[in-house]
Amino acid sequence: EAQVTQNPRYLITVTGKKLTVTCSQNMNHEYMSWYRQDPGLGLRQIYYSMNVEVTDKGDVPEGYKVSRKEKRNFPLILESPSPNQTSLYFCASSTRGGPDRIQETQYFGPGTRLLVL
Amino acid sequence: AQKITQTQPGMFVQEKEAVTLDCTYDTSDPSYGLFWYKQPSSGEMIFLIYQGSYDQQNATEGRYSLNFQKARKSANLVISASQLGDSAMYFCAMREGLYLGSAVNDMRFGAGTRLTVKP
Repeated sequence: EAQVTQNPRYLITVTGKKLTVTCSQNMNHEYMSWYRQDPGLGLRQIYYSMNVEVTDKGDVPEGYKVSRKEKRNFPLILESPSPNQTSLYFCASSTRGGPDRIQETQYFGPGTRLLVL
Repeated sequence: AQKITQTQPGMFVQEKEAVTLDCTYDTSDPSYGLFWYKQPSSGEMIFLIYQGSYDQQNATEGRYSLNFQKARKSANLVISASQLGDSAMYFCAMREGLYLGSAVNDMRFGAGTRLTVKP
């Protein structure tokens, strides 16, 4: 089954304690992205990756890191979480190339609800 | 600047009636795609429907249709014969053709509309 998986699904942590949210896709997609969802703001892009070892900042990258060592995995790292990073996080993937890509939907993971105390 | 605007934070509809969720967008790119996603209370994002800027006809997918008014830059989602299971958050999103060669700001999302279907 084609899917994007995220772990953990729920996480409660304390300020300053490093954490990693994993993301994996089995569709051989080149493009992967992380979003955060906050009430009244919709989804905002944190980081994205065009392919292995190619990552770049989205709209709200402060306080986050990512890596793309393998095509299927795109972990999100919070080195020192703060309460303002309490949010719902989504990983997404899609194919990258071709003129038809404009119509290609992104495939979303199930989401990770993070609470930073 | 906000690219996607959903002006209805919340909407109510009676079961079996039709409902329209509004979405307006802002772009100077002639080539773009518009998407609608559904997010039930469980949290996952479910793709509903797509409309391309060059599509001559409004997109339809089952009970979902997109009222695309290009000159007004609006792409409203119409759900016919509402069901209780339609209660969810709905997001409008846009991908611009300018960015096809890169992933910069790949997909912009609106703030969402929470739809509640009443029995």
